[in-house]
Amino acid sequence: NAGVMQNPRHLVRRRGQEARLRCSPMKGHSHVYWYRQLPEEGLKFMVYLQKENIIDESGMPKERFSAEFPKEGPSILRIQQVVRGDSAAYFCASSPRGGRASDTQYFGPGTRLTVL
Amino acid sequence: KNEVEQSPQNLTAQEGEFITINCSYSVGISALHWLQQHPGGGIVSLFMLSSGKKKHGRLIATINIQEKHSSLHITASHPRDSAVYICAVGQGAQKLVFGQGTRLTINP
Repeated sequence: NAGVMQNPRHLVRRRGQEARLRCSPMKGHSHVYWYRQLPEEGLKFMVYLQKENIIDESGMPKERFSAEFPKEGPSILRIQQVVRGDSAAYFCASSPRGGRASDTQYFGPGTRLTVL
Repeated sequence: KNEVEQSPQNLTAQEGEFITINCSYSVGISALHWLQQHPGGGIVSLFMLSSGKKKHGRLIATINIQEKHSSLHITASHPRDSAVYICAVGQGAQKLVFGQGTRLTINP
């Protein structure tokens, strides 16, 4: 049973380009969470999605960032017109159930985004 | 002040020592999680606690809800335990709020 998959593992973009980060949850998991870890900082919640629904996006920057989790395929975190401050590690986690902070979340290996 | 505070921020010890990492929080929670982030960056969930104590191998986690405090203990520490240990509290439905992490180094 494969764990949470994220790709790419490393992504380099120039300022102004778009970044697309993909997350495939564990088999049977329909709840996905995205977190961001800025250099030398702790993890911060960004967004929580179920299949085809955004449940909580209170941690998402108001502009340039969007997330989706379609019925088929991976969850996508999209960053438009990237800036240097977007450079960070982006982690995805999944859980079999959702809606409760007591649910164990299984983390992917992360995507390290570098904006030149 | 952060909602989740960990101490110490950095900890270096010799192999075999008993390790304690502390986590205090200032908000109401539904659960507390301990995570381990390896030097390569991967994150593993170690424990989820809502009360009492849990043990897994050489790792022990405790929580005192009244005092809003949790501890992670490692017995007979080993160099492979070197990692960043992160405390996270669950609020409301599913949002996790993370501490800054404790960087643990175990020297042989």
